Amino acid sequence: AQTVTQSQPEMSVQEAETVTLSCTYDTSESDYYLFWYKQPPSRQMILVIRQEAYKQQNATENRFSVNFQKAAKSFSLKISDSQLGDAAMYFCAYKDPNTGNQFYFGTGTSLTVIP
Amino acid sequence: GAGVSQSPRYKVAKRGQDVALRCDPISGHVSLFWYQQALGQGPEFLTYFQNEAQLDKSGLPSDRFFAERPEGSVSTLKIQRTQQEDSAVYLCASSQTSGRETQYFGPGTRLLVL
Repeated sequence: AQTVTQSQPEMSVQEAETVTLSCTYDTSESDYYLFWYKQPPSRQMILVIRQEAYKQQNATENRFSVNFQKAAKSFSLKISDSQLGDAAMYFCAYKDPNTGNQFYFGTGTSLTVIP
Repeated sequence: GAGVSQSPRYKVAKRGQDVALRCDPISGHVSLFWYQQALGQGPEFLTYFQNEAQLDKSGLPSDRFFAERPEGSVSTLKIQRTQQEDSAVYLCASSQTSGRETQYFGPGTRLLVL
């Protein structure tokens, strides 16, 4: 079974600074999808960014970017110019489009933004 | 609709009671998923529908858990004879199809079994 590991239960960052959240995963597949979701205290999971494994270029969405290292099975999220509204739980998720339909989630990283 | 909605947002049940949790997916979304999220954990898959067909229920923890989507839109997750270990947030997600599509999540139902 696929596993997703987030080794940082908690992280903090000063407002306007940059922070990187780590994620590793285990799979024997070559085609898959990786996601970062944000879950604020209201509990609505919001998609932050998505990466297709077959694409070598790292995905970017405004202040959010990923460092996708396929050989190392690593998928970290970089948040630049951190804002107070970025404070939330961040979940890394894996999806294999060929053999299953569900997401496999990590245990999450709680991000605090310090004013 | 504008997004995935779930009701109720909070539910308190006495141990042994039956509960029903509702999910309204985004209009036109074919696929619907239920997840269980324990406190401090990531969501864990329960079951998946494509239209009205339940194609995967491998994550349902026991036969007390039952899900349906009779008309291919609204879905209900039913838990019979609730136990304290059922206390969790139950998340619903939908996607346009399956496979390569992003899933969009609802706000969840927080269930507390006393």
